[in-house]
Amino acid sequence: QSVLTQPPSASGTPGQRVTLSCSGGSSNIGINTVNWYQQFPGTAPKLLIYSNDQRPSGVPDRFSGSRSGTSASLAISGLQSEDEATYYCGTWDDSLNDVVFGGGTNLTVL
Amino acid sequence: EVQVVQSGAEVKKPGESLEISCKASGYSFSTYWIGWVRQLPGKGLEWVGIIWPDDSDTRYSPSFQGQVTISADKAISTAYLQWSRLKASDTATYYCARLSGSASRGHFDYWGRGTLVSVSS
Repeated sequence: QSVLTQPPSASGTPGQRVTLSCSGGSSNIGINTVNWYQQFPGTAPKLLIYSNDQRPSGVPDRFSGSRSGTSASLAISGLQSEDEATYYCGTWDDSLNDVVFGGGTNLTVL
Repeated sequence: EVQVVQSGAEVKKPGESLEISCKASGYSFSTYWIGWVRQLPGKGLEWVGIIWPDDSDTRYSPSFQGQVTISADKAISTAYLQWSRLKASDTATYYCARLSGSASRGHFDYWGRGTLVSVSS
């Protein structure tokens, strides 16, 4: 059972905008910034969004992040087949003194 | 170019010891946290811990405290993850990654390809 809650799966069609959610609490998302990672099967995770809404260089601006209260979201606009991957949110938890991750959302492009 | 290169896959028996490594390059190794993330087969990410190579200040996840040891040799820009007595439940892929930002609020920006550790009798 992950501290951060993500829907296990999501889907969209090419060109569509999809939003992936990450729900936490007052000791984690409520007071700390959120990072998002993208992982393709058999490969290492890749940093997609850091500090809630910052994109590392090289990440397309189709990807955007936001945080509100104890939840965070990752939006992908202009969905492409190459976006099919698992997406993880993560942050620090002040009560657990630990980095916590969501269980991941497996995104399918139909 | 920042690179994190991990050691190869390991097959061990329960009770054996193991040390895996990751060699970083392309940046000042001593002035970034570097850490480890576990991924059990078919499961999500778990933070193991991090180390500040300059003074070996180490932070562990409570879940891994006492179960593993993280170390670093700044002379050769290499971090290590060590087990003294492996268990079958340690079977997983272990990723090494550089942390940018503070110890508790940073983000892993450069990742190694992972080291698969298989423990079976």
